[in-house]
Amino acid sequence: GDSVTQMEGPVTLSEEAFLTINCTYTATGYPSLFWYVQYPGEGLQLLLKATKADDKGSNKGFEATYRKETTSFHLEKGSVQVSDSAVYFCALKLSFGAGTTVTVRA
Amino acid sequence: DVKVTQSSRYLVKRTGEKVFLECVQDMDHENMFWYRQDPGLGLRLIYFSYDVKMKEKGDIPEGYSVSREKKERFSLILESASTNQTSMYLCASTPNGASTDTQYFGPGTRLTVL
Repeated sequence: GDSVTQMEGPVTLSEEAFLTINCTYTATGYPSLFWYVQYPGEGLQLLLKATKADDKGSNKGFEATYRKETTSFHLEKGSVQVSDSAVYFCALKLSFGAGTTVTVRA
Repeated sequence: DVKVTQSSRYLVKRTGEKVFLECVQDMDHENMFWYRQDPGLGLRLIYFSYDVKMKEKGDIPEGYSVSREKKERFSLILESASTNQTSMYLCASTPNGASTDTQYFGPGTRLTVL
């Protein structure tokens, strides 16, 4: 069945550091892929998505490219801020990864 | 603006109690979902509904039931709460069944069963 596997955390970074969170998927066909973010005390909200192979989703300085050949959808940000501290989830359809907790220190 | 609301942010219940978690969306969405979120396990789908009075089991339906009498409202019921149902419960909705749909989440209900 459809599933995603994402890098386990927690991840702790300093401000302005580069962030990458790995996500790989198993799916029939080519479903859309999503990254959701959960800030402390809140529900999940969409960060970005890509609907077909080679698409790049981007939002708030984050990017992820739908790679069919490596079945991956890694999340990246070039320079993180304290406000990026959150839990990040990779998802496809109704399957979610375990979540990666990211803490950014000033 | 899209809005999904859940009846309680925090709930404390005793073992054996019947528990109702309510979710309401104001976007006229067809589909609604209940997940539970546990550390290290991510989100696991309990039940979902594609239409009024329709329901489908997710990955972990045991110990839960649901009700969808109106399009905007989807209730999760714990018939007899147990301590292993202590968790964060998240409700979500989507416009239709397309795999491209973004899920819109409520703020969550943190349930503790003593």
